[in-house]
Amino acid sequence: DARVTQTPRHKVTEMGQEVTMRCQPILGHNTVFWYRQTMMQGLELLAYFRNRAPLDDSGMPKDRFSAEMPDATLATLKIQPSEPRDSAVYFCASGRGLTAVAKNIQYFGAGTRLSVL
Amino acid sequence: AQKITQTQPGMFVQEKEAVTLDCTYDTSDPSYGLFWYKQPSSGEMIFLIYQGSYDQQNATEGRYSLNFQKARKSANLVISASQLGDSAMYFCAMENSGGGADGLTFGKGTHLIIQP
Repeated sequence: DARVTQTPRHKVTEMGQEVTMRCQPILGHNTVFWYRQTMMQGLELLAYFRNRAPLDDSGMPKDRFSAEMPDATLATLKIQPSEPRDSAVYFCASGRGLTAVAKNIQYFGAGTRLSVL
Repeated sequence: AQKITQTQPGMFVQEKEAVTLDCTYDTSDPSYGLFWYKQPSSGEMIFLIYQGSYDQQNATEGRYSLNFQKARKSANLVISASQLGDSAMYFCAMENSGGGADGLTFGKGTHLIIQP
């Protein structure tokens, strides 16, 4: 049963610490997305990659957030330094990268629940 | 910029009844995809159904169907014969893919509660 795997599932840290979230996309998927979910803002797109190349990270605070894909099986989202307002659930999703004339379904991981104290 | 509107923050429905969750969208792109996801209390995001802007027929997946009215820019989700396990948050989302796969824009969601 292919699925997107995210680690850790939960993370509690103190303000100012570095946080790294990891994502293993579904094998064969060439697009990877990072989303953030908060009560106030809902689900927001942070960044995404196609064939490991970053395509859009306009939704990400550039000064403290960074997203990378060191290889096809791993995507990372880092926050340095973390702040209490970064507390949220961070989702990774992957897809086949098709156009809208075909099904381009994004499959989500279980999310990382981050709490910054 | 694209926008998704879900006007029902919460709904209570009796078990076994049909449910319609509303979704309207706004985009100037002729090529787009519409999605519905379910988020139970466990927090995972579960894909339910997809409709492409060029699809001639409404999408169906088991008990889920999508009432796609392109001229009205609406993509309502219909759940037939609701079950207690259908209680969850439901999100409508859109992707503009004129140039290839793109990120999703989500609505605020509808909290559906199925009552026995």
